[in-house]
Amino acid sequence: DVVMTQSPLSLPVTLGQPASISCRSSQSLVHSDGNTYLNWFQQRPGQSPRRLIYKVSNRDSGVPDRFSGSGSGTDFTLKISRVEAEDVGVYYCMQGTHWPLTFGGGTKVEIK
Amino acid sequence: QITLKESGPTLVKPTQTLTLTCTFSGFSLSTSGVGVGWIRQPPGKALEWLALIYWDDDKRYSPSLKSRLTITKDTSKNQVVLTMTNMDPVDTATYYCAHLAVWFGELLPFDYWGQGTLVTVSS
Repeated sequence: DVVMTQSPLSLPVTLGQPASISCRSSQSLVHSDGNTYLNWFQQRPGQSPRRLIYKVSNRDSGVPDRFSGSGSGTDFTLKISRVEAEDVGVYYCMQGTHWPLTFGGGTKVEIK
Repeated sequence: QITLKESGPTLVKPTQTLTLTCTFSGFSLSTSGVGVGWIRQPPGKALEWLALIYWDDDKRYSPSLKSRLTITKDTSKNQVVLTMTNMDPVDTATYYCAHLAVWFGELLPFDYWGQGTLVTVSS
């Protein structure tokens, strides 16, 4: 199985400041079709997960443009340009290139 | 508007079989390029993918749980059913179902999620 490793585990951020979450995979996520199937999900307290980003850098409909995804191969990053109070929660990366689908362990974003 | 909702028992005993139903609206599992997956989350822990089923009845399972899982669909009822045998207290978790799309061969998973259902395994 592809192991997805996220860091940091916890990320205290000041409102209005940027935040960055790293996600590393144990093997390349480049699919034989040339795409890289790396997704990011947000889970606010007490809520179901919500997909933010698919295929590394494509924002889902309704996702604020302060969220951006980047990376390639085995190294990926989710950035929040200016953290707002509603961004508090746990963020997960998930790979869809190899079976089985696997999630990272999560990064908890909280306000300082 | 796509919605999904999980239903099933909140409490099961060890060794029993769990049956969960995902009832959805806003899409049809007879439409090419559509699928439904199951994901679970133990209290305070990370997400874990369990299984998924495509419109053409192709099925995928997590290898670590494959011997215990069965996923089926009832297109006429807009439902997907997941059964998990030989339940254990470590299977205590919130179980989610989620919509996925296959767009020109590209897997775009879990863009819509149900609210989840907490299943506790205890005698």
